[in-house]
Amino acid sequence: AQTVTQSQPEMSVQEAETVTLSCTYDTSESDYYLFWYKQPPSRQMILVIRQEAYKQQNATENRFSVNFQKAAKSFSLKISDSQLGDAAMYFCAYRSAGGGSNYKLTFGKGTLLTVNP
Amino acid sequence: SAVISQKPSRDICQRGTSLTIQCQVDSQVTMMFWYRQQPGQSLTLIATANQGSEATYESGFVIDKFPISRPNLTFSTLTVSNMSPEDSSIYLCSAGFLDEQFFGPGTRLTVL
Repeated sequence: AQTVTQSQPEMSVQEAETVTLSCTYDTSESDYYLFWYKQPPSRQMILVIRQEAYKQQNATENRFSVNFQKAAKSFSLKISDSQLGDAAMYFCAYRSAGGGSNYKLTFGKGTLLTVNP
Repeated sequence: SAVISQKPSRDICQRGTSLTIQCQVDSQVTMMFWYRQQPGQSLTLIATANQGSEATYESGFVIDKFPISRPNLTFSTLTVSNMSPEDSSIYLCSAGFLDEQFFGPGTRLTVL
């Protein structure tokens, strides 16, 4: 079974600075997807960024980028120019590439990000 | 993307009663899922709601406790049966759309 580990229960960053959230995972599969979700206090889960394992290029979405190291099974999220609205719980998630029941997500325990003005 | 709504958004229930949570998606989707998020914890998958057949439950979750319906490609319900205080959680539904999953806003359940 796949596992996802987020070793930082809490992180803080100053507004306009950069912060990196860590995520490692364990799998025997060669093809899969990785995601970062954001859950603000409103509790709505919002997809921040996704990465396909077969792609070597790291995904980027505006101020959010990932550092995907497949051999090391590491998938960190970098938030640049942090904004107050970035404050939330961030979850790393894994999904197998197959269809059907493989569509389910396995989540890490989350990292609570605080942004200080 | 898909827009997902859930009803109710929150409820306070007495132990021993049951609550049915509804999940509506604004487009047809093949895969729908139900997750539980206990206070301060991550999300745990309860089951995959299959259209036209029984739900597929994860280890530790059973149909008698969490019956699920999936009458069509846009709608699903989760019932939390014979509730106890340990069932107090946020329950979220999600839908698989292309290669991503989108989540509803969640239902916050408190059992007294």
